[in-house]
Amino acid sequence: QQQVKQSPQSLIVQKGGISIINCAYENTAFDYFPWYQQFPGKGPALLIAIRPDVSEKKEGRFTISFNKSAKQFSLHIMDSQPGDSATYFCAASSIPGYSTLTFGKGTMLLVSP
Amino acid sequence: EAQVTQNPRYLITVTGKKLTVTCSQNMNHEYMSWYRQDPGLGLRQIYYSMNVEVTDKGDVPEGYKVSRKEKRNFPLILESPSPNQTSLYFCASSWGGTGREFFGPGTRLTVL
Repeated sequence: QQQVKQSPQSLIVQKGGISIINCAYENTAFDYFPWYQQFPGKGPALLIAIRPDVSEKKEGRFTISFNKSAKQFSLHIMDSQPGDSATYFCAASSIPGYSTLTFGKGTMLLVSP
Repeated sequence: EAQVTQNPRYLITVTGKKLTVTCSQNMNHEYMSWYRQDPGLGLRQIYYSMNVEVTDKGDVPEGYKVSRKEKRNFPLILESPSPNQTSLYFCASSWGGTGREFFGPGTRLTVL
């Protein structure tokens, strides 16, 4: 079964610090790696995504680092803010033409003031 | 406003009483799917549909049915709900081939 393993399960970071969430995958056919952000009472929303032809993608304070040989990718949140407190899911997909996402189990991030 | 809507948002029912959770999107997306979210298990796909009249099983399809008679709607049917189907359910849609799913607000289901 295709799997995406995510760690840590929960994370507490001080305001202004760097939050790092890691994911590892097994299926080398995966070719799209998004991160979703979910606030309490809301559905997940796409935050940032990367394809394996690049090693890093940055959007504002959010950066994805991708290591194809290690089959790992990570989300870095720079200058973490209390408003970043949410659950973060990594995911991966591989079906050509249409995508079905395989999600990690999620990381609950709390940024303390 | 582009969105995915789900109804009802909250539902408490009893074992064996058939129920339907509706899902509708106004973005003309071909691809729609249903997920359930449980603590410690993340998001698991129940069923997905690549287009009208085309549906397929996800990772946890047992006890669920779906139909896709119109492009915008993708209802989830529980014909005989059981307590282990108590969960938070999300409908999602996307353009085919992108993986960029737009999620609805969720339906919290409790089966007693």
